[in-house]
Amino acid sequence: DAGVIQSPRHEVTEMGQEVTLRCKPISGHDYLFWYRQTMMRGLELLIYFNNNVPIDDSGMPEDRFSAKMPNASFSTLKIQPSEPRDSAVYFCASSPIGPGTGARQPQHFGDGTRLSIL
Amino acid sequence: AQKITQTQPGMFVQEKEAVTLDCTYDTSDQSYGLFWYKQPSSGEMIFLIYQGSYDEQNATEGRYSLNFQKARKSANLVISASQLGDSAMYFCAMREGSGTYKYIFGTGTRLKVLA
Repeated sequence: DAGVIQSPRHEVTEMGQEVTLRCKPISGHDYLFWYRQTMMRGLELLIYFNNNVPIDDSGMPEDRFSAKMPNASFSTLKIQPSEPRDSAVYFCASSPIGPGTGARQPQHFGDGTRLSIL
Repeated sequence: AQKITQTQPGMFVQEKEAVTLDCTYDTSDQSYGLFWYKQPSSGEMIFLIYQGSYDEQNATEGRYSLNFQKARKSANLVISASQLGDSAMYFCAMREGSGTYKYIFGTGTRLKVLA
C-alpha cells in the first residue's frame, strides 16, 4: 500500500513568495495532520483534520499559514507571504479512525518537505 | 498540562548490546496512548511501538520493547541487540484521551551505535 505522499520533497524560494505544500494521505485514513520540525522547536503540530474538517488549528503560527482539505485524498498547507523563519521540514501524517482498535493505530508520516526561505 | 520529557539528548551504545531510551510523561487523563518513532538521518518518521494506558502487558515489537511504569509515568524504549542501522533520533509521543488523535512529541534522543 502507498504511504503518505508529500510534494515537493524540497522547496527553495525567496522571502515574500507564496509556498504551497501538498499531501495525499493513506486511503481510508480519516485523520490528517500537518507538523513542522525545526531544531529549535522540535516537532510541532500545526493543524489536524477529521473527515476533511479542521478540528484544531491552534498550532498554526500566524495568519500567513493556512491549510485546506478539499477532499479525503488531498490537503494543502500554504504560507503567504513566506519568511526566512518559516524554513523547516514540514510533515504530513494520517491515521485511521478510532476509537477502539483504531485508537491504537499510529500516525503514518510522509517523507516531509524541506522548505528553505531565502 | 500534557507533557513528554526525554532527558537524554544523546546516547551511545556498542553494537549487539541493549540500550534504554527514557521517556516520562505528564497527563491528568486515565486513557492515553504512548508511541515511539525513529527518525534516521534520511528524515522520515518510522513508527516503532505503541503502549496503551490500560494495557496490562508491556508492548513488544521484535527487538523493541517498552518498559511501561504507569505509577512513575514512564515509558522507556528498550532496543535489544543494537545494530548499526539503529543509529537515529528517537521520539516519544503521547496521545491524550480517547477522543483526540493529537500527539505531543518529546524533544528526542539521538542514538549512535558503535561498531
